[in-house]
This record gives sequence, structure tokens and C-alpha cells, in this order.
Amino acid sequence: GESVGLHLPTLSVQEGDNSIINCAYSNSASDYFIWYKQESGKGPQFIIDIRSNMDKRQGQRVTVLLNKTVKHLSLQIAATQPGDSAVYFCAENALLTGGGNKLTFGTGTQLKVEL
Amino acid sequence: KAGVTQTPRYLIKTRGQQVTLSCSPISGHRSVSWYQQTPGQGLQFLFEYFSETQRNKGNFPGRFSGRQFSNSRSEMNVSTLELGDSALYLCASSPRGFGIRTEAFFGQGTRLTVV
Repeated sequence: GESVGLHLPTLSVQEGDNSIINCAYSNSASDYFIWYKQESGKGPQFIIDIRSNMDKRQGQRVTVLLNKTVKHLSLQIAATQPGDSAVYFCAENALLTGGGNKLTFGTGTQLKVEL
Repeated sequence: KAGVTQTPRYLIKTRGQQVTLSCSPISGHRSVSWYQQTPGQGLQFLFEYFSETQRNKGNFPGRFSGRQFSNSRSEMNVSTLELGDSALYLCASSPRGFGIRTEAFFGQGTRLTVV
């Protein structure tokens, strides 16, 4: 199947701590994944992506880890700030027959940063 | 570079009416995808257009349709509106070409309320 699911609907962290948001996927053929952040009233904002030929990719304060063996990926946010409060989605970008694309999103995790 | 622009931001329609939503992608992007976001179903893929051609369609009834113009701007139309069509409709543009997967950039969305 193409389902992409998240383990926890809500994650609360203290400001300054590191956050880890997890995502499981079921399509073993998936080879491209994206993390998005969505703030209230806004569209999803691209954070970071990773392809299946990589296990880890780092951005500014964020790291994505991919474990193809157990079909799991995670988003790590270092030194979490109040501005990081949002819903985070993982998405699988599936290549479809005919060359088209679509994103299959997970259910999302609400990250709450406590002062 | 301007981002993805969706108009209008908010709409209120009556059951049975039809509605047209507009999306202007990032300059130079030829792929436009549409997604429906609801609390119950999350983010669901509607369809993708590339060079004025619909490449793929999600599992939505025929009341949902779209098109793309030569300047890559896209519209989606929903006919015979139902209460369940109330949602945030998101447009995403991407520089991806045929068979190439890259990140997609989202607009702010159009909030449609059907009464």
C-alpha cells in the first residue's frame, strides 16, 4: 500500500530541547521522502527531503534519518524554538506510471514548544 | 521570486453550487498539483498537471476537475457542491519534469466552506 503514518499525534517539548518526530511508511518501493511544516492558516512549508540512497541528511537545525529496513524516517529538530510550533507531515513522493507525481502524506504530528 | 499564489483565500458557497479556484505557480514551474485537506482525511491528492495535461488523478468523484493553461496557471472546479467538500484546497508547484521528483512548494490554500 501507499499509507504513510505517524506514531504520535502530539509532541510537547521544552524550548531548547531537541525534538524527534517519527514517521512510518508501508510502500517498500518508496524512494523519496519530504518533511513539511504547516503553521495555522498556512500551507505546508518544505523543510527537508531525503532520497533512499541516503540514510541521513542535515539542514539548518534539522536532520532527517531514513531506515529502509524498517521503513521508518524521523525528523530531528535541534534546540527547538517557539517558532517551531506547528504540525509536521512526512510525505512520500511516488513516481507514477506516465511520469506523474503525487505526494502521499502522513497524518501529521502537532509539535508544541513549551517555554 | 514570488511564491505560489492561490485565489481566493476564503469562499462560502451553498450546496449544489459550483466553484472555481485559481493557482499561479512559481515562475518557471510547470507542474501543478492540487490537494484537499480536511481534519478527518488529512491531505489528499486530487490531481497533477504538467504542460497543460493532467498526468494523474486521485480518488475523487468526477465533480472535481481541473485544467492548466499555457502559462502554467491552474484552476480547479468543483460542481454540485456537497457539505463534505468543505476543506482547505492547496495548490503545489514544482520544477519537476517528466519522471523527476523534487520538492513541491505549496500556496496558502483556499478555505472553502459549503453551507
